[in-house]
Parts: sequence; C-alpha cells; structure tokens
Amino acid sequence: EAGVAQSPRYKIIEKRQSVAFWCNPISGHATLYWYQQILGQGPKLLIQFQNNGVVDDSQLPKDRFSAERLKGVDSTLKIQPAKLEDSAVYLCASSYLAGGPNEQYFGPGTRLTVT
Amino acid sequence: GESVGLHLPTLSVQEGDNSIINCAYSNSASDYFIWYKQESGKGPQFIIDIRSNMDKRQGQRVTVLLNKTVKHLSLQIAATQPGDSAVYFCAENPHDDKIIFGKGTRLHILP
Repeated sequence: EAGVAQSPRYKIIEKRQSVAFWCNPISGHATLYWYQQILGQGPKLLIQFQNNGVVDDSQLPKDRFSAERLKGVDSTLKIQPAKLEDSAVYLCASSYLAGGPNEQYFGPGTRLTVT
Repeated sequence: GESVGLHLPTLSVQEGDNSIINCAYSNSASDYFIWYKQESGKGPQFIIDIRSNMDKRQGQRVTVLLNKTVKHLSLQIAATQPGDSAVYFCAENPHDDKIIFGKGTRLHILP
C-alpha cells in the first residue's frame, strides 16, 4: 500500500513570497489533515477535510493560509504572504474513517524555511 | 486549556536496556491516547494506542501504561535497539477524531 505522498520535500523562500504544498493521501482515505510542526514541537492541526469539505479549520491563519481539496483526493496548502514564523515542517495525514479516533497515516512532510 | 506534555526532552539509554518515556496530559475528557515515533526527515508513525477503559496494553516490544488518576501515560520499549532512536510523541484524543500532540522526547541509544 502506497503511503501519503507530499511535495516538495524542501522549500526555501523569502518572507512575503508565496508557497504551495501538495499532498496525495492513501487511496480510499476520506479524511485528510494538514499539520504544522515547528522545530522541537509536536504537530499542530491546521485544517481537516472529509472528502472535499472542511471539517475543522479553526487553527488555520486564514489571513495568509488557504487549503483546498477540490475532488476529495489531492490537497494543496498555500501560504501567501509567508512570514518568518511560518518556518516549519508541514505534514499531511490521512485516515480511512472520520468521526472517531482512528489511525492517521502521515506523509514525510515539506520542510519550509522562510528567510 | 488542553495540553499534552512530556517530562524529559531527551532520554539516553544503553542499547539492550529498557526505555521508559513519560507523558502527562491535562484533559480529563480524553479517552484515547496514542504514541507516535518520528524519525529524522519522516512523518510520525503510529506505535501503539490505548483507550481510557484500559490501564495497560502490550505490543511487540512496546507497552503503554495509562494512569487516569494522575493523568499520566508511559511508553516502555524493551531491549532498546539502535533503530529505536527517534523522537517519541504522546498524543491524546479529546473528542471526535482530533489528535493533540505533546512536544516530544528524543530517545538516544548509546552503543
């Protein structure tokens, strides 16, 4: 079974520039999550999709971050404009079910450095 | 507020010894807990989970203990191997399918 795919793996941009990350979840997984992991900390949920609908985006800084999952499969996360404090690893995860605790499968992440 | 924390940021263990990683949680409503392993350059990987109606669960070389009275969770790794070197996160599920991660403990294996 193929895992969660993410690209790019690394990205370096200057502050105020824009950046986009892509995620392809495990086939058949209805729920997709984007997490932000700052160095030395645990992942923090940014947004959760079930199919192509947003379930929870309460922790997403909506003035600069946006995410979509148009066809209920792949997803993109965008930051525009980036700030220095956005430097982090952005993790995508997916799970088969929703509405209750179940195993989330994580991708390798995209390491973003904002200079 | 909701939080999951760890007592030690770094733990060094001799190869072959047992490792014990501790975690404190604060949300008494949490009824499901997970331990994740994160190796360098990779995403977190599920190790073992436990529900609040249990106080112990065993897997292959790993055991999770849950003490709801003091809101404490621990992960025991038997016969620690070099491949166990990683950052370990405990996480709690306060409701629905939300997972809240703690800050992590780095496990360092000494030869």
